[in-house]
Amino acid sequence: DTGVSQDPRHKITKRGQNVTFRCDPISEHNRLYWYRQTLGQGPEFLTYFQNEAQLEKSRLLSDRFSAERPKGSFSTLEIQRTEQGDSAMYLCASSPTTENTEAFFGQGTRLTVV
Amino acid sequence: AQKITQTQPGMFVQEKEAVTLDCTYDTSDPSYGLFWYKQPSSGEMIFLIYQGSYDQQNATEGRYSLNFQKARKSANLVISASQLGDSAMYFCAMSGMDTGRRALTFGSGTRLQVQP
Repeated sequence: DTGVSQDPRHKITKRGQNVTFRCDPISEHNRLYWYRQTLGQGPEFLTYFQNEAQLEKSRLLSDRFSAERPKGSFSTLEIQRTEQGDSAMYLCASSPTTENTEAFFGQGTRLTVV
Repeated sequence: AQKITQTQPGMFVQEKEAVTLDCTYDTSDPSYGLFWYKQPSSGEMIFLIYQGSYDQQNATEGRYSLNFQKARKSANLVISASQLGDSAMYFCAMSGMDTGRRALTFGSGTRLQVQP
C-alpha cells in the first residue's frame, strides 16, 4: 500500500450531470476525510468517517452531495446535478485513530463543470 | 469553532536563507493539534510538522521547526536553509482532540517562492 489513492484524477462533466469519485485510504487507517479545495484557497472540510460511520458533515455538504464508506474501507463521494460552483479539487485523506498524528492526503480529483 | 489565519499571501526568500511563515489560530478546544502542510504545484498535500497544544518543546523536523507561542495563539513555521524545491503553497491547519473536531481546519495558505 503506497498511500491514499483517488480516482479519477480529472473529471470534466456537463452541468446537471451526476459524478462519483472514489477514495482508497491507507489500509490500516480507520478515519477518512473528504475536503474541497478551490483555486487559491485552503482545503475545506466536507465530511468525516470513522470506519463505516459518517460522524460529521460540513454545512458545505448540500443535499446534492452524498458520501459513503460501506465496508469501512474505500469511500465514494457523489455529486448530483452538478453546478459550475462545484468545480474544485476534491481531496481525500486518511489517518489512524491514534491521536497526535497527521492525515495523509491523496492527489485529489479535479472536477470541472462546464 | 476553529479558525486559522495566514496573513502572508506570498513570500520570497533567497536560496539558503531562513524564512518564517506566520500562522495564528483560534479555538475553544482545550487540547488541539497544529499542522503544517506543503502543496507543490503538482497538488498533493505533504505533511511537514506537528505540534500538540500540550507539548512543552517546539517541534522540529529536519529543516522545519514550529515556533509555538500558546499565549499568543501562534504557530509559525520556520524553514532554515531554503532550497529551490521549497517553492510551494504552505498551509497551516489545526484539529481538535478529546471531544473536539477531528477534521483539519486550514488557513488560506502562503505561497513561498525561493529565488536562486
